[in-house]
Amino acid sequence: GAGVSQSPSNKVTEKGKDVELRCDPISGHTALYWYRQRLGQGLEFLIYFQGNSAPDKSGLPSDRFSAERTGESVSTLTIQRTQQEDSAVYLCASSLVSRNTDTQYFGPGTRLTVL
Amino acid sequence: GNSVTQMEGPVTLSEEAFLTINCTYTATGYPSLFWYVQYPGEGLQLLLKATKADDKGSNKGFEATYRKETTSFHLEKGSVQVSDSAVYFCALTTDSWGKLQFGAGTQVVVTP
Repeated sequence: GAGVSQSPSNKVTEKGKDVELRCDPISGHTALYWYRQRLGQGLEFLIYFQGNSAPDKSGLPSDRFSAERTGESVSTLTIQRTQQEDSAVYLCASSLVSRNTDTQYFGPGTRLTVL
Repeated sequence: GNSVTQMEGPVTLSEEAFLTINCTYTATGYPSLFWYVQYPGEGLQLLLKATKADDKGSNKGFEATYRKETTSFHLEKGSVQVSDSAVYFCALTTDSWGKLQFGAGTQVVVTP
C-alpha cells in the first residue's frame, strides 16, 4: 500500500517568508508525528497528533511554528517568518496507534532551505 | 531528560566484516529502544526494536539486545554487505504515545 508522502520534496525560500509543509499519512493511521533533522544532527521531535488533536507540542521551537491536522488525515506544518536556522529536513511519520511499541513509518521528508 | 549517544561515523569496513555500532542511553522511566536505518536516497525505516530488558531485536541479519544494566542497545551484524551502506539511528521512547528521541546517526560504508 501507499506509504507516508510529503510535499514539496524541496523548498527554497527567502528569510522572512512563510512556508507550509504537507504530510499525507498512511490511511487509517491515527497517530502522526513531525520531526526535523538539521545537518549533521539527529532527528528532533516537533509535534504529535492523535486524531486531529495535538496532545504534545513540546518540540515546536518557537511560536513561529504551528501545525494542524484535519480529517484524521493530512497534516500541515507552517513556519512563519522563516529564519536561516529553520533550514533542515522536515520528516513526518505515522503509526496505526499512538503506543510506544508501535512502528512509526516515515515519509521521505521535505528539505527546507532558507536563504 | 532522555538522551541517546551513538558512536560517530563514518564507519568504513570491507564486505563480510563484523559490524558493531554502539548505542547508550539515559532515560527517565522504562524506554522502548529502536534502530532505524536510512539507505541512500530513501526514507527512514525501522530496522529492529526491543521493548523490555534482555529482549533481542533482529532483522536482516542485524541484532541488538536491550541491556538495562549497562543502558545500551548496540547494533551488530556478523557479515556486512555493500547493500548495508546506510546511516543508522538509535532511538528511544519513554512516552506512552511514542515520541521518539534519536541519536545523531552513524554512517556505515561497506566496500567490496
